[in-house]
Amino acid sequence: EAQVTQNPRYLITVTGKKLTVTCSQNMNHEYMSWYRQDPGLGLRQIYYSMNVEVTDKGDVPEGYKVSRKEKRNFPLILESPSPNQTSLYFCASSTWTGADTQYFGPGTRLTVL
Amino acid sequence: GQQLNQSPQSMFIQEGEDVSMNCTSSSIFNTWLWYKQDPGEGPVLLIALYKAGELTSNGRLTAQFGITRKDSFLNISASIPSDVGIYFCAGHPSRQLTFGSGTQLTVLP
Repeated sequence: EAQVTQNPRYLITVTGKKLTVTCSQNMNHEYMSWYRQDPGLGLRQIYYSMNVEVTDKGDVPEGYKVSRKEKRNFPLILESPSPNQTSLYFCASSTWTGADTQYFGPGTRLTVL
Repeated sequence: GQQLNQSPQSMFIQEGEDVSMNCTSSSIFNTWLWYKQDPGEGPVLLIALYKAGELTSNGRLTAQFGITRKDSFLNISASIPSDVGIYFCAGHPSRQLTFGSGTQLTVLP
């Protein structure tokens, strides 16, 4: 089954404690992306990757890091989380154009205390 | 980043009614996409539009890519309870995909 998986689905942590949210897709997609969703703001892109070892900033990259060492994986790293990073996070993947169907993961709800 | 204005923010309608929502942008978009998000899940693509003036249907859903390339609308006909959710427009002014703020749809029995 074609899918995007994220882990964990829920995470409560404290300010400053480094964390990683994993994302994996099994569709051999070149394009992967991370979004955060906040009430009234829709989905805002954090980082995206056009292919392995190619990443670029989205609209709200501050406080986040990503890596793309393998085509299927695109982890999101918060080196020093802060309360304003409490949000719902989605990973997505698509063919290289990014304009084709973007498949979204189930989401990770992060709370930073 | 680019700004998309999506309206309305929320809608309460009776089952069986038709629904219309739209998105506008200050800049030209190369594609327009419409997504639906069910509670607790990620967005799912409903309709993709690639050419100005394009009108595309998917069952009871119809969407159009505005002639000016700066707007798009989504219509849902004869709404049913499972239409409940958040609808997002999205578009490509460049490689980056930009989302509207969403329309929360509630269908009353």
